[in-house]
Amino acid sequence: GESVGLHLPTLSVQEGDNSIINCAYSNSASDYFIWYKQESGKGPQFIIDIRSNMDKRQGQRVTVLLNKTVKHLSLQIAATQPGDSAVYFCADLNTGFQKLVFGTGTRLLVSP
Amino acid sequence: ETGVTQSPTHLIKTRGQQVTLRCSSQSGHNTVSWYQQALGQGPQFIFQYYREEENGRGNFPPRFSGLQFPNYSSELNVNALELDDSALYLCASSLELGGYTFGSGTRLTVV
Repeated sequence: GESVGLHLPTLSVQEGDNSIINCAYSNSASDYFIWYKQESGKGPQFIIDIRSNMDKRQGQRVTVLLNKTVKHLSLQIAATQPGDSAVYFCADLNTGFQKLVFGTGTRLLVSP
Repeated sequence: ETGVTQSPTHLIKTRGQQVTLRCSSQSGHNTVSWYQQALGQGPQFIFQYYREEENGRGNFPPRFSGLQFPNYSSELNVNALELDDSALYLCASSLELGGYTFGSGTRLTVV
């Protein structure tokens, strides 16, 4: 069956460090991936997305890498700030069904 | 600031009762999806509506039902509430592939 999961439940970093959050997926037919940030008491907030015909995409301070060979997705956050503290989810959008499949999330803790 | 509004923000119900949650979509969005997020878990897809018709459903029993109205607002109804239904219920609206905007959710507690 399809699943999208994360390797680490909690990641603690110092302010200014670079953070890397990883995600594995099992559905080889997945063709669209999204990273979300969820702060306490709020809904998921879109960070960045990538399609399966790409292996890297950059945004403001964030980069998503996709390795289709090993079905692995990562989110890199440069110069992590305390405001980046949140739970991060990767999600696979089933483009034939418009259904987001979320992983369980990684909590990022940024210390000043 | 999100364009999706959900109400109420918090709700406590008794096991066996029925509940209706509401969602106002972002302006112009014709697709709405509902997700259930248990504590410490990722959101799970319940169902999706497009132009007032259900066009996708996750692994949830029939006591979870929904409606989408001509103005694209939406309701999620849950009958015969169970303790395990306690969760954050998220609504997301979209106009095209991937452009999902989530609301802040309704925290439902079943006692």
